[in-house]
Amino acid sequence: AQRVTQPEKLLSVFKGAPVELKCNYSYSGSPELFWYVQYSRQRLQLLLRHISRESIKGFTADLNKGETSFHLKKPFAQEEDSAMYYCALRGKAAGNKLTFGGGTRVLVKP
Amino acid sequence: DVKVTQSSRYLVKRTGEKVFLECVQDMDHENMFWYRQDPGLGLRLIYFSYDVKMKEKGDIPEGYSVSREKKERFSLILESASTNQTSMYLCASRLSGELYEQFFGPGTRLTVL
Repeated sequence: AQRVTQPEKLLSVFKGAPVELKCNYSYSGSPELFWYVQYSRQRLQLLLRHISRESIKGFTADLNKGETSFHLKKPFAQEEDSAMYYCALRGKAAGNKLTFGGGTRVLVKP
Repeated sequence: DVKVTQSSRYLVKRTGEKVFLECVQDMDHENMFWYRQDPGLGLRLIYFSYDVKMKEKGDIPEGYSVSREKKERFSLILESASTNQTSMYLCASRLSGELYEQFFGPGTRLTVL
């Protein structure tokens, strides 16, 4: 079975401070990991995926297979980063279905 | 630009009613999905479809059924709505294959009284 855990329900940081959203997964194989974001009154959208190895809106995430983690980081948070963030896993043996974590709400204070 | 639309933004129904949630995508995507989104639980997959007339149960299919008669449309049916089905329902679609992104609709907030 595949599972995704996001231990923090809420992260509150000040503008300009670093922010790290934790994501741990359980999967016996080579997963594909994603971060999705949902801004207020907008639809859920892809933020980044681990195979792209790119930085989007200043965010990066590294897949650590040893620790089974895919934490999302940004060195200097901005107010527009306030949103709901979901970590998701897609396993090759599961019909390409996405399994989502419980989500972390990020609040960036001015 | 991919467009996934859902028939209603807000819906209020009574216990025992039959409820239809409609989802339409305009990019010829083979795969379509229905999730429910609840605080603290994230998104949970209800049903998905790989192609027309095909359907597969997701993680929480109980109390739901689906219909995919045309490629662009995927309907979620609550045969007899119950209060514990009050939730935000999200539809998504994507092309087949590992490399393709999944696109989401705006969601339908269903309240069952």
